[in-house]
Amino acid sequence: DGGITQSPKYLFRKEGQNVTLSCEQNLNHDAMYWYRQDPGQGLRLIYYSQIVNDFQKGDIAEGYSVSREKKESFPLTVTSAQKNPTAFYLCASSIIGGGVVGAFFGQGTRLTVV
Amino acid sequence: QKEVEQDPGPLSVPEGAIVSLNCTYSNSAFQYFMWYRQYSRKGPELLMYTYSSGNKEDGRFTAQVDKSSKYISLFIRDSQPSDSATYLCAMSASGNNRLAFGKGNQVVVIP
Repeated sequence: DGGITQSPKYLFRKEGQNVTLSCEQNLNHDAMYWYRQDPGQGLRLIYYSQIVNDFQKGDIAEGYSVSREKKESFPLTVTSAQKNPTAFYLCASSIIGGGVVGAFFGQGTRLTVV
Repeated sequence: QKEVEQDPGPLSVPEGAIVSLNCTYSNSAFQYFMWYRQYSRKGPELLMYTYSSGNKEDGRFTAQVDKSSKYISLFIRDSQPSDSATYLCAMSASGNNRLAFGKGNQVVVIP
């Protein structure tokens, strides 16, 4: 089955810890994205990547880092510098055409700081 | 002004009613318009996709785009309890690989 797999589904982080969220896709999409979703805020773009070994900051990149070493994988690290990391994190991928012709999402990772 | 405005207020309708959702936008370069459905604690799934102005129908769902008014709509006919979800509009411009999202509308269909 083609799709996007995010893991883990739930993640708990202690204050001061870095954690890494996994995102893998087998859709052969060039572009991948990380969004954060908070109640009442909609989806906010953290980072995106259009090609291997290249990525761009989104609207709320501070306290996050990413890598794109393989086309299929786009992991997100939530660093200790992110002051309010508790949120629902969504990874997405899309083809690159004349625009984003429909991004496909994973099932999300819910991160909670304990 | 935000790029995409979507009134996030919850919407409750009786089963069988027509659900009407809409978004407005400010960026005239947007040409690709999408609606996503998101069930609680799940990732959004692409529901409808429209290029430029016009209507698109898929079963009980109709998407409309009015570029002159910078206004898009989603209609759900004969609504079912299984339609209860949050609906997000999204759009992008040609040559731009970023999606702009609305905040989402929570819809509850009451049996």
